[in-house]
Amino acid sequence: SAVISQKPSRDICQRGTSLTIQCQVDSQVTMMFWYRQQPGQSLTLIATANQGSEATYESGFVIDKFPISRPNLTFSTLTVSNLSPEDSSIYLCSVGGGQGRGYNEQFFGPGTRLTVL
Amino acid sequence: EDKVVQSPLSLVVHEGDTVTLNCSYEVTNFRSLLWYKQEKKAPTFLFMLTSSGIEKKSGRLSSILDKKELFSILNITATQTGDSAVYLCAVVEGAQKLVFGQGTRLTINP
Repeated sequence: SAVISQKPSRDICQRGTSLTIQCQVDSQVTMMFWYRQQPGQSLTLIATANQGSEATYESGFVIDKFPISRPNLTFSTLTVSNLSPEDSSIYLCSVGGGQGRGYNEQFFGPGTRLTVL
Repeated sequence: EDKVVQSPLSLVVHEGDTVTLNCSYEVTNFRSLLWYKQEKKAPTFLFMLTSSGIEKKSGRLSSILDKKELFSILNITATQTGDSAVYLCAVVEGAQKLVFGQGTRLTINP
């Protein structure tokens, strides 16, 4: 599987500020995704990060709140803007469709635990 | 609306027991079903199932998919305390979108 790193691994932020999370993969991948896992809940897809174009957001998630960049096939960022305590979650990037991997297989990064005070 | 339902939500057993975790789904454009193990933050990939009736096996873990009845099971034999985790089932729908179940929290007591 791909080696995926995320930075930061955790952060504590003040209400009203923003946090940018980075996701780096050790090889080129076709697909990159961002998920949120709220406390005690399962994972929910925020958006698909598209290389060279705007991300595709799921229902309930908007670009103003969760701007995403994907400048190349190995890197993406997710920003969580105008933070509120309800944004306290684990944020995970996942990748799929890389070399030697099944197209539908998705592998997750280590996650970023965000706490908003 | 696409839906993935796992059962039980929580399970406590003794070391050495065998457990069966269930996952049923209703999605409009099924591609495959994935099982993950989540211990801290990152889900770890276990299996991908695409075809009915073909068992995937890795050590003490095995899984099978029934596309007619729309469910999958994950079996763990001779459980160990290190198997304690949340097990997540997810269905790949459409353009690689993963729809997750609620997860089964498995606790193995020594």
